[in-house]
Amino acid sequence: DQQVKQNSPSLSVQEGRISILNCDYTNSMFDYFLWYKKYPAEGPTFLISISSIKDKNEDGRFTVFLNKSAKHLSLHIVPSQPGDSAVYFCAASAGTYKYIFGTGTRLKVLA
Amino acid sequence: KAGVTQTPRYLIKTRGQQVTLSCSPISGHRSVSWYQQTPGQGLQFLFEYFSETQRNKGNFPGRFSGRQFSNSRSEMNVSTLELGDSALYLCASSSGGGGYTGELFFGEGSRLTVL
Repeated sequence: DQQVKQNSPSLSVQEGRISILNCDYTNSMFDYFLWYKKYPAEGPTFLISISSIKDKNEDGRFTVFLNKSAKHLSLHIVPSQPGDSAVYFCAASAGTYKYIFGTGTRLKVLA
Repeated sequence: KAGVTQTPRYLIKTRGQQVTLSCSPISGHRSVSWYQQTPGQGLQFLFEYFSETQRNKGNFPGRFSGRQFSNSRSEMNVSTLELGDSALYLCASSSGGGGYTGELFFGEGSRLTVL
């Protein structure tokens, strides 16, 4: 049972445009969400988080939106840069340090 | 501040053997979690330790075990290795404070190949 789903395995975006990565979840108990970026042969790098008491969190070029009624969150990267090309994972937790990760979306930013 | 250190980075074992992986968390972090990453499966939660106690556990068989020492360093062990255990094993540390769910800081992983 995949509680956290990233339905798009890959995404290509032109440099300078917006990248939107999506994540859906099924467990209504999830109350904390994280986004990670992963390059090959490296561990995941934390990008941004959001608590269920918020619907938006912004950090520089990265913004995460949370729609609790739809059980959906999205990561917006504006503007996209070639260095953003990586695999992006969303993760969710229900008040513990046990995080459930999605299967990832490979983002390719075209120069 | 030094990051999360995992050793060894790469290892090759044969079926039936056992393996021990080590993780040193960020200084001051008391929570250590372990994840398995395989192609197409994302990161699967194995277990989390806090102050030498297993606090959370994933859905892996008993062949997968772990422990945490008083200095917060952690080890995980896989016994009777199977081909399907070939994966990248990631360790993550966090402050682990009770009642607060914070971000995880990952090491670079230990890539295990089972032949």
